[in-house]
Amino acid sequence: NAGVTQTPKFQVLKTGQSMTLQCAQDMNHEYMSWYRQDPGMGLRLIHYSVGAGITDQGEVPNGYNVSRSTTEDFPLRLLSAAPSQTSVYFCASTRAGLPNYGYTFGSGTRLTVV
Amino acid sequence: GESVGLHLPTLSVQEGDNSIINCAYSNSASDYFIWYKQESGKGPQFIIDIRSNMDKRQGQRVTVLLNKTVKHLSLQIAATQPGDSAVYFCAEYNAGNMLTFGGGTRLMVKP
Repeated sequence: NAGVTQTPKFQVLKTGQSMTLQCAQDMNHEYMSWYRQDPGMGLRLIHYSVGAGITDQGEVPNGYNVSRSTTEDFPLRLLSAAPSQTSVYFCASTRAGLPNYGYTFGSGTRLTVV
Repeated sequence: GESVGLHLPTLSVQEGDNSIINCAYSNSASDYFIWYKQESGKGPQFIIDIRSNMDKRQGQRVTVLLNKTVKHLSLQIAATQPGDSAVYFCAEYNAGNMLTFGGGTRLMVKP
């Protein structure tokens, strides 16, 4: 099993550009989430999904869109990149129900917006 | 709003000593807590979890204590090793299996 795979690992964008961060998991997990982590900070929830076709907003959703057309994939779209979106982005997945040993995280995408 | 926070941003310990990392939470309805370890350049890794109906849970060299009266979590690492150097986060589950993270404590192990 590959676990949670994120691509790309690094990305530099110009202000106003759009891009999609990819996330895929092969564990048949129902729940998937996107977090951002700013330097020296904890992780903040952007968007999450409890199953294919279902998405919802987290703590900091503005400027981001998501979709969940399959169980495996949960892409995060930046509509018009801003310097405030410079961060490390983590995708995570878990199975439904407790206890579930928490989310499994990808290795992150480091995004710089100039 | 509800939040999970940590008391100490940086903890420095001598190799071989025990480490204690603390966390306060404010949502008394949370019923599941997790400690994560994050090494530089990597995503968080699950260390240990605890349900709210427990006071203590032990793993390999790690113990989590939960005090619901004062809404406090702690992570104890026995015989701390250089490989334990990382940032540690506590996180709580809210409605819908969503995680809320604290701000993190950096553990530095001195040889």
